Amino acid sequence: GDSVTQMEGPVTLSEEAFLTINCTYTATGYPSLFWYVQYPGEGLQLLLKATKADDKGSNKGFEATYRKETTSFHLEKGSVQVSDSAVYFCALSGGTGRRALTFGSGTRLQVQP
Amino acid sequence: NAGVMQNPRHLVRRRGQEARLRCSPMKGHSHVYWYRQLPEEGLKFMVYLQKENIIDESGMPKERFSAEFPKEGPSILRIQQVVRGDSAAYFCASSPREGARTNTGELFFGEGSRLTVL
Repeated sequence: GDSVTQMEGPVTLSEEAFLTINCTYTATGYPSLFWYVQYPGEGLQLLLKATKADDKGSNKGFEATYRKETTSFHLEKGSVQVSDSAVYFCALSGGTGRRALTFGSGTRLQVQP
Repeated sequence: NAGVMQNPRHLVRRRGQEARLRCSPMKGHSHVYWYRQLPEEGLKFMVYLQKENIIDESGMPKERFSAEFPKEGPSILRIQQVVRGDSAAYFCASSPREGARTNTGELFFGEGSRLTVL
């Protein structure tokens, strides 16, 4: 079945550092890929998405490119802020025709001033 | 336009009691999904429902758990005879119907219901 693997956290960075959170997936077919963010005590919010190979999703300074050849969708940001501290989830949908999203285990990001 | 509404936000139950969690999808959405998040873990899919139909319940435990999405009213996730291991955050998400112009594959999440079993 479909699966998503994320790098384990927590990731601790200083403000203005460069961020990469790795995400790889296994799926049949042509899934759509997503990054969601969860702030403490809240639900998940969509951060960005890409629906086909080579698409780049971007939002709030975050970017991720859908790489079919490496089955990856790594999240990057050039300069993190304290307010980016949260848990980030990589997810896919539609790989096997399934409507529900399959999530990775999440990566906690802590940004220190 | 209100988002996905879940209640209660926090629920405390003793072992053996029943827990009922409610979810009202976003306006115009006809698909509802339930996920469970155990402490310090990711989200695990439980069930996917449309109005009056369970489409995919492959993630639901075989016993004590049930879900419904009636023609009128919210979706309900019901846990009978709760045990300590049921303590978790339960998230509901919704999406437009398949094929709708507004359907982009994204799920819209509520803020979750946090169940604590004593």
